[in-house]
Amino acid sequence: QSALTQPPSASGSPGQSVTISCTGTSSDVGGYYYVSWYQQHPGKAPKLMIYEVSKRPSGVPDRFSGSKSGNTASLTVSGLQAEDEADYYCSSYAGSNNYVFGTGTKVTVL
Amino acid sequence: QLQLQESGPGLVKPSETLSLTCTVSGGSISSSYYYWGWIRQPPGKGLEWIGSIFYSGSTYYNPSLKSRVTISVDTSKDQFSLKLSSVTAADTAVYYCARHGSMTSGFLSWGQGTLVTVSS
Repeated sequence: QSALTQPPSASGSPGQSVTISCTGTSSDVGGYYYVSWYQQHPGKAPKLMIYEVSKRPSGVPDRFSGSKSGNTASLTVSGLQAEDEADYYCSSYAGSNNYVFGTGTKVTVL
Repeated sequence: QLQLQESGPGLVKPSETLSLTCTVSGGSISSSYYYWGWIRQPPGKGLEWIGSIFYSGSTYYNPSLKSRVTISVDTSKDQFSLKLSSVTAADTAVYYCARHGSMTSGFLSWGQGTLVTVSS
């Protein structure tokens, strides 16, 4: 199984929105509504921000939203804040009890 | 509050077996229908799912690592373990243990991670 494709970087000014894409295939992203998104600050463990494409765990601000169209999932961070600067990874269920992660996107708050 | 803590050698020689344990506190491994997984991250690179185990002992492995991976659970100690055999430098990574609600859900709770270096 190949890693899901994400852009290496994305950026936005405080208060603006940034959207990160996550492209897979019909065997993973396109085949299931089981896409998750993680935020990872340097030296820290990843934190689950979105699961099942668009659901937020308790405590995650509603500035974070997810969606999916075909084989591509997206994470949008609205009202960018300095603390949103981090690496973001998508993941998807890939069938047959397998997971696959994305390549990761570094988000910079300008 | 659920906490997970990885432990094990930080240095492993090439061709040997990497062994790590994840200790769960603030909750019991066998008290709920959760899955317990291992994820790794080579320095400066992305995340890779290694495998997961259900509290009952059913295991699920990344096909690319399946021939070298064994995950087991010890419910009496609230621990689950990872063994990765025949390691090479490519297995150098931060290894995380984590909990997820099902094989289709995200990993909600994570350990802090432990760096394992493969070197002679």
